[in-house]
Amino acid sequence: DAGITQSPRYKITETGRQVTLMCHQTWSHSYMFWYRQDLGHGLRLIYYSAAADITDKGEVPDGYVVSRSKTENFPLTLESATRSQTSVYFCATRDRFREQYFGPGTRLTVT
Amino acid sequence: EDQVTQSPEALRLQEGESSSLNCSYTVSGLRGLFWYRQDPGKGPEFLFTLYSAGEEKEKERLKATLTKKESFLHITAPKPEDSATYLCAVRESGGSNYKLTFGKGTLLTVNP
Repeated sequence: DAGITQSPRYKITETGRQVTLMCHQTWSHSYMFWYRQDLGHGLRLIYYSAAADITDKGEVPDGYVVSRSKTENFPLTLESATRSQTSVYFCATRDRFREQYFGPGTRLTVT
Repeated sequence: EDQVTQSPEALRLQEGESSSLNCSYTVSGLRGLFWYRQDPGKGPEFLFTLYSAGEEKEKERLKATLTKKESFLHITAPKPEDSATYLCAVRESGGSNYKLTFGKGTLLTVNP
């Protein structure tokens, strides 16, 4: 039972490039989330999705795009990467008890 | 002003030396307080949810308690494998039922 998987685990990209981070869950949870984790800020919500084809902005959505065509997948796209988007990105789902479970993370470096 | 403040930022203990981590919050109404453990290079791992003042939950050497303004994570006779960053998060009443506000965490190191 893999739960939540994220890919890639590590990514280095250049400023201005588009990059997509993938998130896949095997639980069929309705809610999925994208967070970024930075020193001094803790975990901050980027986007969330309540179900397939339903997405909404979180605390820090600028520069990011999401989609959710299938319940199990929730990709996060940086349309034109900037150095300030260097971070560790976590995908999470929420179960019926409203507890969130996190994936292993993607460490993104923008040079 | 941060809504969720964790202290201390870092704590170093000897194996067997019990202690507590603090999470204080300033949200107007609490719909849940969550504790997570995060190991280096990994995602946060869910530990506990507390909903009302006076509630307590235990798991192995960890016990979480909740008052109206703060939560404590008590670690009894810790072992080196308890070393991790412990995160606290709150869900506020009146807001969206998905939104969690996280503290910055306490880095716990337990020396053998």
